[in-house]
Amino acid sequence: EPEVTQTPSHQVTQMGQEVILRCVPISNHLYFYWYRQILGQKVEFLVSFYNNEISEKSEIFDDQFSVERPDGSNFTLKIRSTKLEDSAMYFCASARQGNEKLFFGSGTQLSVL
Amino acid sequence: GESVGLHLPTLSVQEGDNSIINCAYSNSASDYFIWYKQESGKGPQFIIDIRSNMDKRQGQRVTVLLNKTVKHLSLQIAATQPGDSAVYFCAENPRAGKSTFGDGTTLTVKP
Repeated sequence: EPEVTQTPSHQVTQMGQEVILRCVPISNHLYFYWYRQILGQKVEFLVSFYNNEISEKSEIFDDQFSVERPDGSNFTLKIRSTKLEDSAMYFCASARQGNEKLFFGSGTQLSVL
Repeated sequence: GESVGLHLPTLSVQEGDNSIINCAYSNSASDYFIWYKQESGKGPQFIIDIRSNMDKRQGQRVTVLLNKTVKHLSLQIAATQPGDSAVYFCAENPRAGKSTFGDGTTLTVKP
């Protein structure tokens, strides 16, 4: 069964450093998402991406965040200058269409020290 | 604003019993609802969905009920098994672009 893959599974970084989280969505999916989950809390929407542009973003997704689909398979989330409060599990998801179920990757656990 | 919430943060059941997990939503424009299961250390996994033109949908051992009048959603799991232990999230999808997740209910199945 096709799946969303994310790398790395764990990322440790120093405050103020840039990180790039990588995702390979399911190949025939058109909609791509980033969510995050702080330990013990609910899954929070960050951004959705369709047709090579952001379609919606949350207030969490400020100027420090950016997304890119550099080629036909990868979808990345960049945090320019990490803060302690960015520590969370980041999930990539994709969907075949906009109003369909999401398929999630296993996540990248980001720890900012 | 949109909010999706679950009535109980934890639910403990005996193996073999039926489980019912509830969810309330606030956006009357939502027309698509999904239940996800999240096991420890993993991403959410799709369980079952329902669109607003239906009030009930059944899968394998799971049933979702939708009451649009009171904006309530429930997930019923028949003959609950230890492998069903996880956090369950409901999500509403009022439009293409994002799903809004509820707080989650932790289901613990006692052998």
